[in-house]
Amino acid sequence: RKEVEQDPGPFNVPEGATVAFNCTYSNSASQSFFWYRQDCRKEPKLLMSVYSSGNEDGRFTAQLNRASQYISLLIRDSKLSDSATYLCGRGGGNKLTFGTGTQLKVEL
Amino acid sequence: EAGVTQSPTHLIKTRGQQVTLRCSPISGHTSVYWYQQALGLGLQFLLWYDEGEERNRGNFPPRFSGRQFPNYSSELNVNALELEDSALYLCASRYRGFITGQKNGYTFGSGTRLTVV
Repeated sequence: RKEVEQDPGPFNVPEGATVAFNCTYSNSASQSFFWYRQDCRKEPKLLMSVYSSGNEDGRFTAQLNRASQYISLLIRDSKLSDSATYLCGRGGGNKLTFGTGTQLKVEL
Repeated sequence: EAGVTQSPTHLIKTRGQQVTLRCSPISGHTSVYWYQQALGLGLQFLLWYDEGEERNRGNFPPRFSGRQFPNYSSELNVNALELEDSALYLCASRYRGFITGQKNGYTFGSGTRLTVV
């Protein structure tokens, strides 16, 4: 089993929709979790750190479920500019391990 | 505040050659991480340096190596280049503490795109 797994998508959603991504991880000793956004041929940019209590930043909400070993990202009121690949990252074991990313396409 | 800087931005090398990539972390960040992202693939962890020492390395052959300097900048060296080394090489830095009100994650540079022909 991969350390971090994501559904590759693509998720094609209309503008204004709410979309959710899940990411599962295999190491229960994982210490920190992140969501990154990566545009085509660009570097990943940190979207959110994910805390046990869950956290929200504008239209974005991240949740961590340690019991089931997954993290989630909810995007409300999707914009065309949200189209990108979303990577989840798991920190621990002296490295940050990423999933392969979920591609989101927001359409008119 | 300057971000993570990497050089060069693009590079074309011939199979069998050697290459050195450079990374300067954000001021105050002592940890530097290197990743490889081949086209269409995910980010693969290469190396982690902290306080001048190699702390961890990923599942890559020994021809991938690097070092970190006293000013915390870092180099990634790849010897005996192979065609499959063609990829985007990303460097990230991180402040190892926690700063309230900030995102506290790993910040990436814009990468070096290496093409091996």
